[in-house]
Amino acid sequence: NAGVTQTPKFQVLKTGQSMTLQCAQDMNHNSMYWYRQDPGMGLRLIYYSASEGTTDKGEVPNGYNVSRLNKREFSLRLESAAPSQTSVYFCASSLDGTPRIGYTFGSGTRLTVV
Amino acid sequence: DQQVKQNSPSLSVQEGRISILNCDYTNSMFDYFLWYKKYPAEGPTFLISISSIKDKNEDGRFTVFLNKSAKHLSLHIVPSQPGDSAVYFCAASANNAGNMLTFGGGTRLMVKP
Repeated sequence: NAGVTQTPKFQVLKTGQSMTLQCAQDMNHNSMYWYRQDPGMGLRLIYYSASEGTTDKGEVPNGYNVSRLNKREFSLRLESAAPSQTSVYFCASSLDGTPRIGYTFGSGTRLTVV
Repeated sequence: DQQVKQNSPSLSVQEGRISILNCDYTNSMFDYFLWYKKYPAEGPTFLISISSIKDKNEDGRFTVFLNKSAKHLSLHIVPSQPGDSAVYFCAASANNAGNMLTFGGGTRLMVKP
């Protein structure tokens, strides 16, 4: 019953460093998403993958790259971290990309860039 | 410009009373609306949804109302319980936009015993 697992849970980076946020789901879902949550802004979509082998930009993709490694895993990479990327990052998945049955979210990665 | 807005950052309610959380949207192409609940240090969890062809959907203590002409929806929690204390996000999707969810900024609900 793991659902969506994100690692790490916390991370502090220096400006200019790079890192990869990992996400894996065990529900055999086709679609996966990366969101960031900032105070008062709600959750904003960074990138999504409608199915294995495809990725597309969301609302705020600048400064990020993604990889859909296989059906289970969807990683988010920050090549050169900036303080503006300080946020809480959530990975989510859904069965078929329609929101009718809702997305399943991971517990988040709190990233601080100093 | 935010297409989904929750204008009340916080709401405090007494246990047993009704909680009403509001959400406004600007995109007339939105055809499906959802509410998510989020506890600290956890991811959001799906709570209830409504299609644009309906004006009300009920699930136990939770009811969502949709007023399309006003581009407004609300979540009613009756009766409110201390365990309902959380941040509530409104979200919307449009069939012509790949069904991606657009979220509001959230409302923090505090239910006092």
